Amino acid sequence: ETGVTQSPTHLIKTRGQQVTLRCSSQSGHNTVSWYQQALGQGPQFIFQYYREEENGRGNFPPRFSGLQFPNYSSELNVNALELDDSALYLCASSLVSQSEAFFGQGTRLTVV
Amino acid sequence: GIQVEQSPPDLILQEGANSTLRCNFSDSVNNLQWFHQNPWGQLINLFYIPSGTKQNGRLSATTVATERYSLLYISSSQTTDSGVYFCAGVPSGGGADGLTFGKGTHLIIQP
Repeated sequence: ETGVTQSPTHLIKTRGQQVTLRCSSQSGHNTVSWYQQALGQGPQFIFQYYREEENGRGNFPPRFSGLQFPNYSSELNVNALELDDSALYLCASSLVSQSEAFFGQGTRLTVV
Repeated sequence: GIQVEQSPPDLILQEGANSTLRCNFSDSVNNLQWFHQNPWGQLINLFYIPSGTKQNGRLSATTVATERYSLLYISSSQTTDSGVYFCAGVPSGGGADGLTFGKGTHLIIQP
């Protein structure tokens, strides 16, 4: 059984640019969620996708957007990057919405 | 949204000691989970414990859902237990379905 995998592991972008992060969910899981973790803080919920539809969103602006594909993998897109977007981005998958979540190793994004 | 308070924020212990980490929720939650974040940032699942008590080796957890708190017990600590421990839950009142995390307990086990 393959766990949750994310790519890339590290990324450096310039303020104003756009970035796409990728996540492959654990086998059999149809729900994917994304989280942002700033240094020294707990992860914060960005949004969740279930069967290719966004079905929950945290307090993040519209420049944070996502996609889920038929194989349940997912992308997180961030437009017009700001310095404060520098963080660890974590993807989690679960069998169904509101069941145990399993996390990937994260993508560390640095905006300069 | 709900508030998740973890205590203590920092804990330094000698190898072999026991510890109790606490998590309080401001409102009812579903899907209560405990995680250990390793130095590379990955969240490792410890317990999925909406209610009751579970044990896994030297670790155990208890959730009292009616009183909105959960406890994580670590016995006979080892240096590899060092790291940040998070609890998280999904608000049961509806709305966004993501986990709400506490700020974590930073545990250091000294040899």
